[in-house]
Amino acid sequence: AAGVIQSPRHLIKEKRETATLKCYPIPRHDTVYWYQQGPGQDPQFLISFYEKMQSDKGSIPDRFSAQQFSDYHSELNMSSLELGDSALYFCASSSPATTGELFFGEGSRLTVL
Amino acid sequence: GEDVEQSLFLSVREGDSSVINCTYTDSSSTYLYWYKQEPGAGLQLLTYIFSNMDMKQDQRLTVLLNKKDKHLSLRIADTQTGDSAIYFCAEESGSARQLTFGSGTQLTVLP
Repeated sequence: AAGVIQSPRHLIKEKRETATLKCYPIPRHDTVYWYQQGPGQDPQFLISFYEKMQSDKGSIPDRFSAQQFSDYHSELNMSSLELGDSALYFCASSSPATTGELFFGEGSRLTVL
Repeated sequence: GEDVEQSLFLSVREGDSSVINCTYTDSSSTYLYWYKQEPGAGLQLLTYIFSNMDMKQDQRLTVLLNKKDKHLSLRIADTQTGDSAIYFCAEESGSARQLTFGSGTQLTVLP
C-alpha cells in the first residue's frame, strides 16, 4: 500500500541558509501535518492543512512557512536556518473517511552546520 | 510531551509480555495512538483506540484504556527481539487532529 512520501530523506545546510521539504500524502488523503522531532525528543506539532487551507498551527517558528498544493502535496519552507533547527521532520496524512488513522512518512533529517 | 507521560525504559525477556503505560491529560481526546520508532526510522502506526472503547486487540497487541484515570496501556504478547524500539503514545486533541506525544518508552528485548 502507498505510504506518505517525504523528500529529501537527508539534507545538510549551513546556518542562515534556506531549506524546503516536500511531503506527498497517501492517495485520497486530504489533510497533511508537519511535526519536528529533535534529537532524543518526542515529535512536536508544527502545522496542518486541510483541503489546501491551514487548519491548525503549533510551535512553528516565524522563519518557517508551509503550504498545501492542489494535488494535496505539501512543502515546508525553512529560512535563516539555525543550529537548533537540526531535527527529523515528519509529515503525516489522514482522511476524514478513515477516522483514527494518521500515518507518518519516514521523515526528512535536516542537519544545520 | 508534558501532557502525555510515559516511563522512559522497559526491558523484558524474549517470549515474555511487555506492558507499556501512558497517562494523558486531555479528557476530550477522541483517539489515542501507539506508534513505534526504530533507530533512525519513521513513526510506524501500531494501533489506535477510540475514546469510547476500553479495549482493542490486534494480533499480539492489546490496548487498554481507562478513561476515568486517563491511563492507556499497550501490551505486546510473546515479545520478540524485533520489537525493540521506542514506543510513543499520543493523544489527539483539538478539531484539527493535532497529536501530542509522550516522551517515548525505550523497549529492550533481551534474548
